[in-house]
Formats: sequence, C-alpha cells, structure tokens
Amino acid sequence: AQKVTQAQTEISVVEKEDVTLDCVYETRDTTYYLFWYKQPPSGELVFLIRRNSFDEQNEISGRYSWNFQKSTSSFNFTITASQVVDSAVYFCALSEDWGSGGSYIPTFGRGTSLIVHP
Amino acid sequence: DADVTQTPRNRITKTGKRIMLECSQTKGHDRMYWYRQDPGLGLRLIYYSFDVKDINKGEISDGYSVSRQAQAKFSLSLESAIPNQTALYFCATSVYSGKETDTQYFGPGTRLTVL
Repeated sequence: AQKVTQAQTEISVVEKEDVTLDCVYETRDTTYYLFWYKQPPSGELVFLIRRNSFDEQNEISGRYSWNFQKSTSSFNFTITASQVVDSAVYFCALSEDWGSGGSYIPTFGRGTSLIVHP
Repeated sequence: DADVTQTPRNRITKTGKRIMLECSQTKGHDRMYWYRQDPGLGLRLIYYSFDVKDINKGEISDGYSVSRQAQAKFSLSLESAIPNQTALYFCATSVYSGKETDTQYFGPGTRLTVL
C-alpha cells in the first residue's frame, strides 16, 4: 500500500532563511506520481508541482525547488530565501498509476506547517 | 470564476440534523472526490467518483453518503450529523490522462461545525 510520511510537523524560520520540507514515500509500483500542495492560512489547497516517477530531474521554479530521489524514496521541497507569504501548511501526496494496477487515488501526508517570521 | 466551487462555505448545525454539502466544477473533469481535513491528520478521503455511474467509498465513508448528479456536480450528505464530523471538507477534481493525470484541483472548502 502507498504511504506518505512528512516527519516534520512544524518548522519555524526567520525570513530569508532557506528551508527544506521532507517527504518520504512508500510504494510497490514502478509508475507513480508525486505532488506538493500548499494550504495558506486562508484555507484553500493550491497545487504546486507534479512529478512522474520516471523523471528524476530536479525542478526549480523561482524560489521553490524540488529534489526527487528514487534511491531514498524522497521528494523534498526547498524554499530559498523564505518570505512571510510562504507561511502555510504544505502537503506531499502520492498516486500510483492506474495502468500498472495502482490504487490511482492520491494519498496525502499529514502536512508540514511552515511559519516564517519577519 | 473559480473552477471548483463548494456551497455552503460555512455551516453550523446541530447533532442529528441532515446536512448536504455541494460541489460543482467547470473544469470538465470526470473524477471527483470528497475529503475531510482535521488538524494534524491531513486529508482523508471520504468518497470518490470516476464518472456519473461510478461511486466508491474512501477510507472514512461511515456516516456519509454521496450523489453524483451530473459530471459537474458531486454532493456529500451527512444523514445524521454528529459532533466528531466537525471538520473542514474539501471537494476535488482530477483527470486520468495527459500531463495532469491525478493532479487534484480543490474547491475552497466548507467549514462544518456540529454542535
């Protein structure tokens, strides 16, 4: 069965610090998708990134970067030069591929609350 | 306009009352989901539907029922609300093919309080 672990319940940093949010997953499938979502204090859930299991290239989008490592079953998220607006709960999720018999329903981690102090 | 909408946004009700939460989407997605969020527990799946004729239970379906009235509409009912159903409820949609496979797009959430 698929499982997502976000061991960091809460992280507190001061503005401009870099911060990495950890995500470790478990799956027996060879084809799967990994996701990160952001939930700001206003409560909505915002999609950030989707990664296919066959694509281990790191991705950078502005101050955000994602490090996908199949060898350690991790999909970590780094925010560079954090800002107060980055304060939110961040969720990592995993879905297994329908075509290869996976559950195809995303499983979410419990989330990491990031607090960025001015 | 938002692609996924939920009504109501907030609801306070009493134990034993029947409650319906509604979700509509304009994304044209076939798949729709209902989740609840409780502090520290992340998102837990209640029900999901892959098309109008397909309804499936999630991990915490007891006490809930759903109806998929059309491709764009998926409602969640609490037949007899109880206080431990107090939570934030999210509707989500997704597609099965292409670059967006399994990416979930969420509604704004419904905050339900059962007294």
